[in-house]
Amino acid sequence: GGIITQTPKFLIGQEGQKLTLKCQQNFNHDTMYWYRQDSGKGLRLIYYSITENDLQKGDLSEGYDASREKKSSFSLTVTSAQKNEMAVFLCASSMGARAETLYFGSGTRLTVL
Amino acid sequence: QQQVRQSPQSLTVWEGGTTVLTCSYEDSTFNYFPWYQQFPGEGPALLISILSVSDKKEDGRFTTFFNKREKKLSLHIIDSQPGDSATYFCAAGGNNAGAKLTFGGGTRLTVRP
Repeated sequence: GGIITQTPKFLIGQEGQKLTLKCQQNFNHDTMYWYRQDSGKGLRLIYYSITENDLQKGDLSEGYDASREKKSSFSLTVTSAQKNEMAVFLCASSMGARAETLYFGSGTRLTVL
Repeated sequence: QQQVRQSPQSLTVWEGGTTVLTCSYEDSTFNYFPWYQQFPGEGPALLISILSVSDKKEDGRFTTFFNKREKKLSLHIIDSQPGDSATYFCAAGGNNAGAKLTFGGGTRLTVRP
């Protein structure tokens, strides 16, 4: 089996600050995702990547950048942290380039002061 | 635009009872419908999934039903257990969406002993 590792588990930043979240997977999966989970709401897709150096925007990409420099890692940058985006950010991976089983990490909880 | 709607937002059932969660979707090109289960502090994990060519899939106490004409799906949990207490998400994907999976808003289930 494999694992998705997200770091840090908790991230505290100041309003307007640039913050980076990291994700590593050892499944050797092609596709990786970043989802945002707000309390009481579903998961909203921010960015995904179907292969190294590929980036595809999701429904919530404004205010975020992403980077997939290696197959095993996918990072997400909050370009200017805002108080209304305090949420849990979930990284996931899947084997191929089509919607199939997603394997999630345990998340990074973002707090903006 | 909320493409996948899930209800109820929260639900409490007694141990041994039957839980029913429902989802509806709008995009007729969706053909893959997974349900994910999330425990506090963890990422979601695949519980059961169904393709649009089927109308029912069963896995132990969990059954998912799919109604293509009405664009609805449901998850039934029989003999609900306190250990089933979690948040459940339906999701939808399809050939036109590539690797994208769109999630519903989630249902927080509490099973009381």
